Amino acid sequence: GQQLNQSPQSMFIQEGEDVSMNCTSSSIFNTWLWYKQDPGEGPVLLIALYKAGELTSNGRLTAQFGITRKDSFLNISASIPSDVGIYFCAGQRSGAGSYQLTFGKGTKLSVIP
Amino acid sequence: KAGVTQTPRYLIKTRGQQVTLSCSPISGHRSVSWYQQTPGQGLQFLFEYFSETQRNKGNFPGRFSGRQFSNSRSEMNVSTLELGDSALYLCASSFGINTGELFFGEGSRLTVL
Repeated sequence: GQQLNQSPQSMFIQEGEDVSMNCTSSSIFNTWLWYKQDPGEGPVLLIALYKAGELTSNGRLTAQFGITRKDSFLNISASIPSDVGIYFCAGQRSGAGSYQLTFGKGTKLSVIP
Repeated sequence: KAGVTQTPRYLIKTRGQQVTLSCSPISGHRSVSWYQQTPGQGLQFLFEYFSETQRNKGNFPGRFSGRQFSNSRSEMNVSTLELGDSALYLCASSFGINTGELFFGEGSRLTVL
């Protein structure tokens, strides 16, 4: 099935540093979403993007819907220990039978205090 | 407002057995989706139910089935279990259909021996 290429696969950063991760696809999505999953929990929605070029913030998180509709980026500013977890991008198309989400493989973030 | 509740949280089965997992969505949510999460394949869409009808199905064999009840609660069943079915099975609910803004439960972790 359709795959999203999410990178980096993992990253170790110092507390206070900014973080960037991205997701690319060979085909177009109409919606891009970013989820975070903590150990033992289900994913939690962070940001949803609905329009090409859209830039949306949620606290220290900022995400962008790429102009080509084939990519999305997530930035985390001034990281803190509770940012640790796995971040997933997800794309959604529109049209009958196409609304299910396609997820990236995730970016595992570790924050060193 | 209670979140998505999945039962059981953990279970161990042997090859050839069958298993039924249960999901209670957030009150008022009528759409329930199921995802399989494994280290190798990541999050894979299984199916989505809305108003007791399966609206969308992922690329899984017929051993995987589900249903939704009139109170929006959902169950999924896996018959003739294989070792490769070991995974975290996540249920997600949403108010409407065709939205990517999902609320996930904590998952049911299935181990097949």
